[in-house]
Amino acid sequence: GAGVSQSPRYKVAKRGQDVALRCDPISGHVSLFWYQQALGQGPEFLTYFQNEAQLDKSGLPSDRFFAERPEGSVSTLKIQRTQQEDSAVYLCASSLGTDTQYFGPGTRLTVL
Amino acid sequence: GESVGLHLPTLSVQEGDNSIINCAYSNSASDYFIWYKQESGKGPQFIIDIRSNMDKRQGQRVTVLLNKTVKHLSLQIAATQPGDSAVYFCARRGSGTYKYIFGTGTRLKVLA
Repeated sequence: GAGVSQSPRYKVAKRGQDVALRCDPISGHVSLFWYQQALGQGPEFLTYFQNEAQLDKSGLPSDRFFAERPEGSVSTLKIQRTQQEDSAVYLCASSLGTDTQYFGPGTRLTVL
Repeated sequence: GESVGLHLPTLSVQEGDNSIINCAYSNSASDYFIWYKQESGKGPQFIIDIRSNMDKRQGQRVTVLLNKTVKHLSLQIAATQPGDSAVYFCARRGSGTYKYIFGTGTRLKVLA
C-alpha cells in the first residue's frame, strides 16, 4: 500500500521567503509527527497531531514555524521568513496510535 | 537535558558476522524504545521496538536488548548483509508524552 509521501522533495528558498511543506500520511493513521533532521544528526521532534488536534508543539524552534492538519489527514508545515539555520531535512511520520511510526522520504530545505 | 546517545559513530563489520550497535540514554522516564534504519536520501525505517517492561525482543535477524539498570539499549543484527549498511538510530519516548527523542546515529558499514 501507499506509504507516507512528502512534497516537495527538495526546496530552495532565499532567506526571508516563506515555505510550505506538505505531508500525506498513510490513510487512516490518527497520529502525525513532524521532525527536523540536520545533516549527520538524528531527527529532532517538532510537533505532534492526533487527528486535527495539535497536542504537542514543544519542538517548534520559533514562532516562525507553524503546522496544521485541518481535516485530520494531510498536514502542512509552514516556515515564515526562512533563515539559513532552517536548512535541514523535514521528516513527517504517521502511525495508527503513537507507537510504530512510518516515515516519509523527507523534504530537503536549503535556505540561501 | 534529555538525550539519547550512541557510543560509536561508525561500525565496520565483515559480511556474515554479527553486528552490535549500542545506545545509552540519560533519562529513565521512558516507556518505549525503537530502533530505526536510515539509508541515504530516505526516511528512517522501523526495525524493532521494545517496551520498558521487557528486556529482550527478537525479530527477523535482529534482537533488541534493554538494560534499564544502566540505561542501555542495544541492537544486534545476525549474519550482517551488505543491505544492512545504513545509519542506525535509537529513539525513546518519554513516559506519558508523545515526544520521541532520537540519538545521533551509528553508521554501519558492511565489508565484503
